Amino acid sequence: DVKVTQSSRYLVKRTGEKVFLECVQDMDHENMFWYRQDPGLGLRLIYFSYDVKMKEKGDIPEGYSVSREKKERFSLILESASTNQTSMYLCASSFGGGRRNTIYFGEGSWLTVV
Amino acid sequence: GQQVMQIPQYQHVQEGEDFTTYCNSSTTLSNIQWYKQRPGGHPVFLIQLVKSGEVKKQKRLTFQFGEAKKNSSLHITATQTTDVGTYFCARRETGANNLFFGTGTRLTVIP
Repeated sequence: DVKVTQSSRYLVKRTGEKVFLECVQDMDHENMFWYRQDPGLGLRLIYFSYDVKMKEKGDIPEGYSVSREKKERFSLILESASTNQTSMYLCASSFGGGRRNTIYFGEGSWLTVV
Repeated sequence: GQQVMQIPQYQHVQEGEDFTTYCNSSTTLSNIQWYKQRPGGHPVFLIQLVKSGEVKKQKRLTFQFGEAKKNSSLHITATQTTDVGTYFCARRETGANNLFFGTGTRLTVIP
């Protein structure tokens, strides 16, 4: 089975702190994604990566950055956390190219910024 | 943004009633996928539709892709309490790697 693992399930951070959310997948997927999920807004894409060291902005990249130094790992970084970034963050991965691109999700990370 | 609109946002049904959620786009879609997210869980892939007018069934779930490839629907026959959750459609533009998710329909089934 595909496994997408997010490093932290629940985090509480202070405004202005730098926050790292880590994600690892074990299926040799080319694509990796970070979404945030908020009530009434569904899933919104923050950033995605289709190869090591490659990244593209999604719908809502402001206030976030990402890092993909290794194929299996995709990190989401909040340089200076703000209260409006309190949300549930979902990492996901999929094959790239012409292959079936079903997305597999991690369990999610609940971030509260106080 | 490029979100796909889903209606309704919420739906409460009695157990045994049918349920339908609709996904609408202003642009032609290359394909559409459906996901289910149980309360407290993460989205799980259900199905992908690619062809114009395609209909696929999974037990009590029927998925349709419109002839113009601009809309899709998920219909559940005779809902059960295990159907509770939020159903998302997701679209991918031709040649793109990423999926854009719909706003989701949250289904509650009353026993």
